[in-house]
Amino acid sequence: AQSVTQLDSQVPVFEEAPVELRCNYSSSVSVYLFWYVQYPNQGLQLLLKYLSGSTLVKGINGFEAEFNKSQTSFHLRKPSVHISDTAEYFCAVSDRDGGFKTIFGAGTRLFVKA
Amino acid sequence: EAGVVQSPRYKIIEKKQPVAFWCNPISGHNTLYWYRQNLGQGPELLIRYENEEAVDDSQLPKDRFSAERLKGVDSTLKIQPAELGDSAVYLCASSLSGTGNTDTQYFGPGTRLTVL
Repeated sequence: AQSVTQLDSQVPVFEEAPVELRCNYSSSVSVYLFWYVQYPNQGLQLLLKYLSGSTLVKGINGFEAEFNKSQTSFHLRKPSVHISDTAEYFCAVSDRDGGFKTIFGAGTRLFVKA
Repeated sequence: EAGVVQSPRYKIIEKKQPVAFWCNPISGHNTLYWYRQNLGQGPELLIRYENEEAVDDSQLPKDRFSAERLKGVDSTLKIQPAELGDSAVYLCASSLSGTGNTDTQYFGPGTRLTVL
């Protein structure tokens, strides 16, 4: 069965600094990968997704992620964060073997400080 | 366009009581999902509907949980009786379609359940 590991439960960073949120998944022949953001008291919102093609995926709010098959990773990056980026970020994976069920990681809390 | 609507937003009940959550998906979305999100965890799928058919309910604790989507539009998730361990946020999501593709899931704000 697929699994997702988000290596950092919390990431504090200063405003305008770059940030990387790490995500690793268990290997499968063909996977689809997602990053979602959850602001306080709100539902999840899709930031970006990788289905196929270019391994560098650009999303909303200036975020991007890179699919690395050999490392089984899908790390999320932003070159310069804002206070408003403070939220919980979830990495997720689905694949054919799992019936395309979406499996979420435990989340990474990004805290942007002034 | 209205997003996924859930009600109530918050619910506090005593253990052994019944509780129900309601979800109205985005208009035209055939697939509806119910997730449970425990504190400090990611969402876990409870059940997925394609129109009115439950196509994946393998994670639904069927002894106390039930769900329905009678007309293939809105849906209700019920717990009877509730246990302390059911305290969580229950999220509803919808997508245009689900099986075999990767349409974006749109999430509602969730219902935060507290069982005392």
